[in-house]
Amino acid sequence: DVKVTQSSRYLVKRTGEKVFLECVQDMDHENMFWYRQDPGLGLRLIYFSYDVKMKEKGDIPEGYSVSREKKERFSLILESASTNQTSMYLCASSALATSSSYEQYFGPGTRLTVT
Amino acid sequence: GQSLEQPSEVTAVEGAIVQINCTYQTSGFYGLSWYQQHDGGAPTFLSYNALDGLEETGRFSSFLSRSDSYGYLLLQELQMKDSASYFCAARSNDYKLSFGAGTTVTVRA
Repeated sequence: DVKVTQSSRYLVKRTGEKVFLECVQDMDHENMFWYRQDPGLGLRLIYFSYDVKMKEKGDIPEGYSVSREKKERFSLILESASTNQTSMYLCASSALATSSSYEQYFGPGTRLTVT
Repeated sequence: GQSLEQPSEVTAVEGAIVQINCTYQTSGFYGLSWYQQHDGGAPTFLSYNALDGLEETGRFSSFLSRSDSYGYLLLQELQMKDSASYFCAARSNDYKLSFGAGTTVTVRA
């Protein structure tokens, strides 16, 4: 079974703090993704990575950065947390797609509250 | 950019059939996926349609019409455990998924 793990299920941080969210996958997947999920908005892509040390901006990268030093690990960094970054953060990974299939595997999520 | 529309809520009784429609406007479209998410859980993959037509997996089926930019997820023989949120997601040509806002399905006894 593919396993995607995230460092914390719940996190409470203060405004202005630097926040690190860690994600690890055990299936040697090339692609990794960070989403945030807010009620009524679905999942929105923050950043993704095709390979070690590679990163691409998603749809809402402002206020975030990422790091991928090892293939299995993808970190999301909030340089200076703000209350509008209170959300559920989901990490996902995927292998390369085929012509007929493509699946992303999600971690359990980290619910971040910024006060 | 990408835009996907799906209904926000559907309610049905056990044993019924539910169809969740999804229309999309995307560039570089490769295929349409469906994910299920139970309350407090992670999204889990249900299906992926790259070609037009119907794909059946047990009680769930998914359909795609590329010419109409439209797809649907069909849930048959509804069970209480099917109460969850369902998301359609369009895959673009660089492995990105763009998700709809989700449809909450409530199954009543």
